Amino acid sequence: DADVTQTPRNRITKTGKRIMLECSQTKGHDRMYWYRQDPGLGLQLIYYSFDVKDINKGEISDGYSVSRQAQAKFSLSLESAIPNQTALYFCATSDQRYVTGYTFGSGTRLTVV
Amino acid sequence: GQQVMQIPQYQHVQEGEDFTTYCNSSTTLSNIQWYKQRPGGHPVFLIQLVKSGEVKKQKRLTFQFGEAKKNSSLHITATQTTDVGTYFCAGPRNAGNMLTFGGGTRLMVKP
Repeated sequence: DADVTQTPRNRITKTGKRIMLECSQTKGHDRMYWYRQDPGLGLQLIYYSFDVKDINKGEISDGYSVSRQAQAKFSLSLESAIPNQTALYFCATSDQRYVTGYTFGSGTRLTVV
Repeated sequence: GQQVMQIPQYQHVQEGEDFTTYCNSSTTLSNIQWYKQRPGGHPVFLIQLVKSGEVKKQKRLTFQFGEAKKNSSLHITATQTTDVGTYFCAGPRNAGNMLTFGGGTRLMVKP
């Protein structure tokens, strides 16, 4: 099994719908992150969490919310999806010193029509 | 805020040619990391550099951290088709150590 699992892998949804992307990890890391990747662009930080009771906004949090249900689970919600939220979404984890880098999930490709 | 810039954005090379991507930060970095994302895949951690002027090698890949700790480079010797992908550098954005990623350099290798 993968260290960081994202579900679903692909999703097509309609404008205005609420959608949740889920992430779970078996690394035992405290820190979890959600990133968005648009074609040809880098990774933009949406939200991050350093432990179960900690939630922080990243660069592009508008239109998104998150929930850290447990150390191993971090979900991202789009309350009312819009077409410009069509992108590839990655969940990642790290330890406090991230000396072994971030571990990314396989990504969720979201299309909003 | 902190910016991390990478050049070039794209690079086509013939198999066997060398390749270099450059990373520049607007601020001094405590460390820098490099990641590789294969087409259709997810970013995978390659290496972390911490010391000023540090050079690390992984087979045909050579990573360098600048003396001022504001720039870095990744050099691939004699590229192979397996090197295809996008290479990202990333540096910690603040005391919380979240990473700011560069825009990446997409490497394409012609066999």
